[in-house]
Amino acid sequence: SQQGEEDPQALSIQEGENATMNCSYKTSINNLQWYRQNSGRGLVHLILIRSNEREKHSGRLRVTLDTSKKSSSLLITASRAADTASYFCATDGQGGSYIPTFGRGTSLIVHP
Amino acid sequence: GAGVSQSPSNKVTEKGKDVELRCDPISGHTALYWYRQRLGQGLEFLIYFQGNSAPDKSGLPSDRFSAERTGESVSTLTIQRTQQEDSAVYLCASSQDAGRARQGFGPGTRLLVL
Repeated sequence: SQQGEEDPQALSIQEGENATMNCSYKTSINNLQWYRQNSGRGLVHLILIRSNEREKHSGRLRVTLDTSKKSSSLLITASRAADTASYFCATDGQGGSYIPTFGRGTSLIVHP
Repeated sequence: GAGVSQSPSNKVTEKGKDVELRCDPISGHTALYWYRQRLGQGLEFLIYFQGNSAPDKSGLPSDRFSAERTGESVSTLTIQRTQQEDSAVYLCASSQDAGRARQGFGPGTRLLVL
């Protein structure tokens, strides 16, 4: 079963707006990562947030982690058409497993 | 430095044929992962290697699927007697060690079984 589940499944916004995607997971983790995927090919790593961190920033990206709720959010500010992609969260540490487990992803479309 | 590379980029095969997919991980990465992604779906874990050993093969969907890794480097995923439901993008990733560092992903091999 999926460890991480992204929400919403699809998001359509206008350029300049902010996009927020959420990820929920089921078991304790060591860290959580967000990835981006264009056109169904390779994933690009965006941010890793550790279980003892609550917030992390990278450029226009802001990631939060709430371990009490077992959830994370990815915020993209001032979105651009080039941000159109699928976004996945991946968790590891499930039951001692070192295998990153991915959700189904959020498909983001940014209209110019 | 060089990232993860995969070959071929695309593969079209007939049902019943065997295929081999290759992954060259980032140099020095001891952990290597294979995932399958069907159209519009998330990543489905297949198998991972720590060094040349595969501690977890639980994701392999059937005994038609096998993988090996040699020299703690190149890995090959083999699908025997391909079926149409095997059509997907097969993604390879590597990390410095299992699960504790971010993964670098290859561009994937898009497999189409006719």
